[in-house]
Amino acid sequence: AQSVTQLGSHVSVSEGALVLLRCNYSSSVPPYLFWYVQYPNQGLQLLLKYTSAATLVKGINGFEAEFKKSETSFHLTKPSAHMSDAAEYFCAVSDTGGFKTIFGAGTRLFVKA
Amino acid sequence: NADVMQNPRHLVRRRGQEARLRCSPMKGHSHVYWYRQLPEEGLKFMVYLQKENIIDESGMPKERFSAEFPKEGPSILRIQQVVRGDSAAYFCASSPTGTDFYEQYFGPGTRLTVT
Repeated sequence: AQSVTQLGSHVSVSEGALVLLRCNYSSSVPPYLFWYVQYPNQGLQLLLKYTSAATLVKGINGFEAEFKKSETSFHLTKPSAHMSDAAEYFCAVSDTGGFKTIFGAGTRLFVKA
Repeated sequence: NADVMQNPRHLVRRRGQEARLRCSPMKGHSHVYWYRQLPEEGLKFMVYLQKENIIDESGMPKERFSAEFPKEGPSILRIQQVVRGDSAAYFCASSPTGTDFYEQYFGPGTRLTVT
């Protein structure tokens, strides 16, 4: 069975500081991994995805994530936080069949001026 | 409109009533997924459908909940005899066929409140 653990339900950073949101996964087969962002009262928007190509994946809005198989991790980073990055972020995993996506509980990012 | 559409955006039902949630996938997408999000929680998979077929309903409660994706028209998630615990945001996602089948595009959600 697949699962996703997001460490830290809330993360607070200062504007301009590094953003690091942690995600560890469990999967018995090679996974597809995703990060989504959700703004208040909206649906989820795909930030980036890993599908067994390059281990360093670049997404929208300056975010990137690195797939580390040995650590079963897929942490999301951004070098410099912007106020508009304040939102909830979800890590997700699906198997290579791709039909059933399992989401983490989410990490709410706060950005301080 | 190329986006995934959901309606209504907000739905209020009294206990015991029926709730019908609609989802129109992106143009050209034939896979539809329904998820439920409880406050302060992540999304929980409910059901995966293709046109006229339920492929995986392992996340959907056995009673009161049903889903369909007819040949014509939107996908419908139906909740009969709603209870307060059904209050949540329900999200629909769609994905294309082909090599990007795993990439899901989400609608804005329907927020169901049961009073």
